[in-house]
Amino acid sequence: GAVVSQHPSWVICKSGTSVKIECRSLDFQATTMFWYRQFPKQSLMLMATSNEGSKATYEQGVEKDKFLINHASLTLSTLTVTSAHPEDSSFYICSARAPPGTGNSPLHFGNGTRLTVT
Amino acid sequence: AQSVAQPEDQVNVAEGNPLTVKCTYSVSGNPYLFWYVQYPNRGLQFLLKYITGDNLVKGSYGFEAEFNKSQTSFHLKKPSALVSDSALYFCAVRNDYKLSFGAGTTVTVRA
Repeated sequence: GAVVSQHPSWVICKSGTSVKIECRSLDFQATTMFWYRQFPKQSLMLMATSNEGSKATYEQGVEKDKFLINHASLTLSTLTVTSAHPEDSSFYICSARAPPGTGNSPLHFGNGTRLTVT
Repeated sequence: AQSVAQPEDQVNVAEGNPLTVKCTYSVSGNPYLFWYVQYPNRGLQFLLKYITGDNLVKGSYGFEAEFNKSQTSFHLKKPSALVSDSALYFCAVRNDYKLSFGAGTTVTVRA
C-alpha cells in the first residue's frame, strides 16, 4: 500500500513551452504533498509544500509564478513548469505525507520526472 | 532548524566487505532520523528510522544504523556489502512534518 505515482517519468520540451507533472496517491488520500528538485548526484531541495484545497507554500528562492502547483483533490497534485528554459532541466520528485499505519516512512515518494529543456 | 550532514561524497568498498555511510545531525530536542536509498532515475526508498529506543536500528536489505547521541551521529552500516547496494544514500531529519536531506553519498560496491 501507500503508492505514489508520478507521471511522466521523463519529458523533453522546447525552451519557452510549459510542462505539467502529475503526482497521484493511488491507494490513500494525501492532504499534503511535497515537490523536490534534484540536480545530478546532489541532494533533494524542497521546492514547495502542496496542500489540498489551498495555495502551495513555496520555499525561499523558488519562483511561484514559474513553478505552478495545484492540489485540487486528495489524490492529485500537479507541478507546471511554465516557460521552461534549459536551466530548469532537472529531476523533479514528488512525495506524499504518509497517513497513519502506512509504514515507517513519514513520506512516500514518486519515482521522479526527468525534465530536459532544449 | 534541524539539519544533517554527510561528510563523504563517495564511498567505495569491495563486495563482501563492511559498508559504512556517515551522517551527523544538528537538532534541538529529540531527533527523528532516517536513511533512504535512491537508484538511478528513481524516487527514494525508505531504509530505516530512529525515533526513540534502542540506539541500534535495523532496517531493510540488511542495513542497520547506530544512533550516537554524544557524537551526534547516525551512521548507516551493512556488515557485508553487495554489488546491488551501489546507489545514492541520503540521511534525513524530520523538521515538523517535512524532511531535510543531507547532500547524499554515492556508494559503489565493486565485485
